[in-house]
Amino acid sequence: EVHLLESGGGLVQPGGSLRLSCAASGFTFSNLPMSWVRQAPGKVPECVSTISKGGDNTDYIDSVKGRFTISRDNSKNTLYLQMNSLRAEDTAVYYCAKGGHLDNWGQGTLVTVSS
Amino acid sequence: DVVMTQSPLSLPVTLGQPASISCRSNQSLIHSYGGTYLNWIQQRPGQSPRRLIYQISNRDSGVPDRFSGSGSGTDFTLKISRVEAEDVAVYYCMQATHWPLTFGQGTKVEIK
Repeated sequence: EVHLLESGGGLVQPGGSLRLSCAASGFTFSNLPMSWVRQAPGKVPECVSTISKGGDNTDYIDSVKGRFTISRDNSKNTLYLQMNSLRAEDTAVYYCAKGGHLDNWGQGTLVTVSS
Repeated sequence: DVVMTQSPLSLPVTLGQPASISCRSNQSLIHSYGGTYLNWIQQRPGQSPRRLIYQISNRDSGVPDRFSGSGSGTDFTLKISRVEAEDVAVYYCMQATHWPLTFGQGTKVEIK
């Protein structure tokens, strides 16, 4: 059974940083691309970033380019999202998702950007 | 970005009756590889989203066969043959053909 467990969320001031992690199990992590999706309260989900299975190709939505970095450690079956220069509009639940087509989603971790 | 437009946005349904949600994209979702990457996502109240259907009409593991997807090109439909109480949720169509992936506005299915 696929299991995705996000961690690292919390309350951070505008301009601050957070690093999210996603521990994956139940599938061959190194064989698949992975994605981060966020959902602001009451809003539509938004796929923020995706990374290829080897980690050499990444994509970002325009609003996070230059501030967020996706990475992965295939030896640890773990996906990361480094978030810098956080803004109020980054407040959301962040989900880790299996594959480039969001096959499975984790339970999410809440990121709140507020002073 | 590809714009996904769903209708209706609210869908009150009687238990045991069918329901249908429409989704339209402003660009073709046929990928250069030949597939059409149109998914349907279900989000029950207070839960994480879950993919129900991928590539227009393929049900994910564990999805009841009362859910079906159809369509092609830019027009797609999700149907529930007989709505059950556990189907109360927001349903999103989502395209994964073009980056960035984009979602429809969501359709809230509720019981009359």
